[in-house]
Amino acid sequence: AQSVAQPEDQVNVAEGNPLTVKCTYSVSGNPYLFWYVQYPNRGLQFLLKYITGDNLVKGSYGFEAEFNKSQTSFHLKKPSALVSDSALYFCAVRDISSGTYKYIFGTGTRLKVLA
Amino acid sequence: SQTIHQWPATLVQPVGSPLSLECTVEGTSNPNLYWYRQAAGRGLQLLFYSVGIGQISSEVPQNLSASRPQDRQFILSSKKLLLSDSGFYLCAWGPFAGGNNEQFFGPGTRLTVL
Repeated sequence: AQSVAQPEDQVNVAEGNPLTVKCTYSVSGNPYLFWYVQYPNRGLQFLLKYITGDNLVKGSYGFEAEFNKSQTSFHLKKPSALVSDSALYFCAVRDISSGTYKYIFGTGTRLKVLA
Repeated sequence: SQTIHQWPATLVQPVGSPLSLECTVEGTSNPNLYWYRQAAGRGLQLLFYSVGIGQISSEVPQNLSASRPQDRQFILSSKKLLLSDSGFYLCAWGPFAGGNNEQFFGPGTRLTVL
């Protein structure tokens, strides 16, 4: 069965410092991986995805993610955090095992950037 | 460009009352449509998804139902609301032929059942 894990409920980082939000996955076959961000009382916004190709994926708002097949991880990163990056972040994987277009989401990690 | 609408934005309903939440998508054809519920600002629970008109797949047995009367319209309903139905309901769409494509989410409906 496909699954996604976000081991940290919350990550605190000082403004200007690099940030990492962790995600590990379990899939059969090639993974299609996604990161989304959610601000309070809003829908999710797409940040970036890994389908194939380069292991380092660049996305919106200066975020990037590194795909690591041996560690089955897809961690979200940003070189210098902003207070405005404070939000809830979700990792997701497309469930291909069932032949449908379902997406499986992690439980979310709350990022707090401190001024 | 594609847009997705949800209404109402907020809703307060008494226990036992009916529910109807609507989601519409513009700018695309034959999308896959999804309903999620998010409790207490945390994880997403997939409730229903649809790959075509009248085709509904239910993920979790519960007090809710979904319908897709038109290609770009997805409705979430309940005959009698429970307290546990409170939450943030999100509609999303994804391209029909694009398994490697991302989903696009609506702004959500905050439902409070009292």
